[in-house]
Amino acid sequence: DAGVTQSPTHLIKTRGQQVTLRCSPKSGHDTVSWYQQALGQGPQFIFQYYEEEERQRGNFPDRFSGHQFPNYSSELNVNALLLGDSALYLCASSSGQVISQPQHFGDGTRLSIL
Amino acid sequence: QKEVEQDPGPLSVPEGAIVSLNCTYSNSAFQYFMWYRQYSRKGPELLMYTYSSGNKEDGRFTAQVDKSSKYISLFIRDSQPSDSATYLCAMDRGANSKLTFGKGITLSVRP
Repeated sequence: DAGVTQSPTHLIKTRGQQVTLRCSPKSGHDTVSWYQQALGQGPQFIFQYYEEEERQRGNFPDRFSGHQFPNYSSELNVNALLLGDSALYLCASSSGQVISQPQHFGDGTRLSIL
Repeated sequence: QKEVEQDPGPLSVPEGAIVSLNCTYSNSAFQYFMWYRQYSRKGPELLMYTYSSGNKEDGRFTAQVDKSSKYISLFIRDSQPSDSATYLCAMDRGANSKLTFGKGITLSVRP
């Protein structure tokens, strides 16, 4: 049973560029959440997708956008990259919208901005 | 004031010790409480998932929630070098709401 998979593992970009990160949820999960984890900090919620729509959004600027596909996989896009966007980007998946289910995380994409 | 505060680290203990990790929170809307373990260069791995006040045990791990005090704990018995990792507390309001995490504490278990 494959868990949450993310690609790529590492990325190096320069300021002003754009980046797309990808996530495949755990089998049977239909909800995908994205988090940003800066070095030495806990993950911070970016947004959540369910039924191909953004359901919740954290305190991140519009430069951060996403998409969910019919097969429940998801993309995170970041435009106009800043040095402060350097972080580990984590995808988490879960199932069910009534009874809370724990979120399961992938190993993340480490993004470095030069 | 942050919604979730976690005891600062790092923490170093000898093998076999009992470890106590703690978090406090300010938002009484939180209903579900989690502990994740994160090894270096890996994603958070779910250790414990609890609802409401009380204790939950799983092998060497015990999670404790006190909603009246807004305080949660994770106890690790007979700690092993393989337990060396960063431990993150997290909580949410239920119904797949966003997770709010503590800062994390790095634990080192010395052989």
